[in-house]
Amino acid sequence: EAELVESGGGLIQPGGSLRLSCAASGFTFSSYSMNWVRQAPGKGLEWISYVDRGGIVYYADSVRGRFTISRDNAQNSLFLQMNSLRAEDTAVYYCVRDLHFAFDSWGQGTLVTVSS
Amino acid sequence: QSALTQPPSASGSPGQSVTISCTGTSSDVGDYNYVSWYQHHPGKAPKLMIYDFSKRPSGVPDRFSGSKSGNTASLTVSGLQAEDEADYYCSSFAGSNIWVFGGGTKLTVL
Repeated sequence: EAELVESGGGLIQPGGSLRLSCAASGFTFSSYSMNWVRQAPGKGLEWISYVDRGGIVYYADSVRGRFTISRDNAQNSLFLQMNSLRAEDTAVYYCVRDLHFAFDSWGQGTLVTVSS
Repeated sequence: QSALTQPPSASGSPGQSVTISCTGTSSDVGDYNYVSWYQHHPGKAPKLMIYDFSKRPSGVPDRFSGSKSGNTASLTVSGLQAEDEADYYCSSFAGSNIWVFGGGTKLTVL
């Protein structure tokens, strides 16, 4: 069974940077595209980024130019480098496995709080 | 990248059926069959319930079913059980390598 464990969240000041990590196990990580999805407090889910098996990446407008998704297939890991953080980036960030246009396995999430 | 529209709440008694709608546009729900539904118990990881608007992943009870007509997709939960009480989110591929979610529906089992 697929397991995804996020880490790296925490309290960061506006304008700061943070790098999230996701450790994958229980499946052949290199065979799957991966995503980051977030949920702001009291709000719904928001897709923010995708990386395919070969490293092609896509972003939501809300994070394009500030966030960078990457993966290390040798380490079974997914990353999200977040720069120029804003208060509106405060959210639980989920690492999510892709099932051809759907999201079939989710981590428990890591909380990012952007506040001074 | 506008969010899909879901009713904020829905409810039903045990054993009853409830349907949750998800309205998009001709650029997302109306243009692609890639609509999916997720069950989210707060504090837990969301769970995929329906993909490709009507397919159920292995392990999801057949009490859960999905459909789509035009720009609106629907999730129906039949034979409501207490454990079905959760937040439900729809999602759709929106072209241009973008995915959108609905705002979520809180399902209450009375």
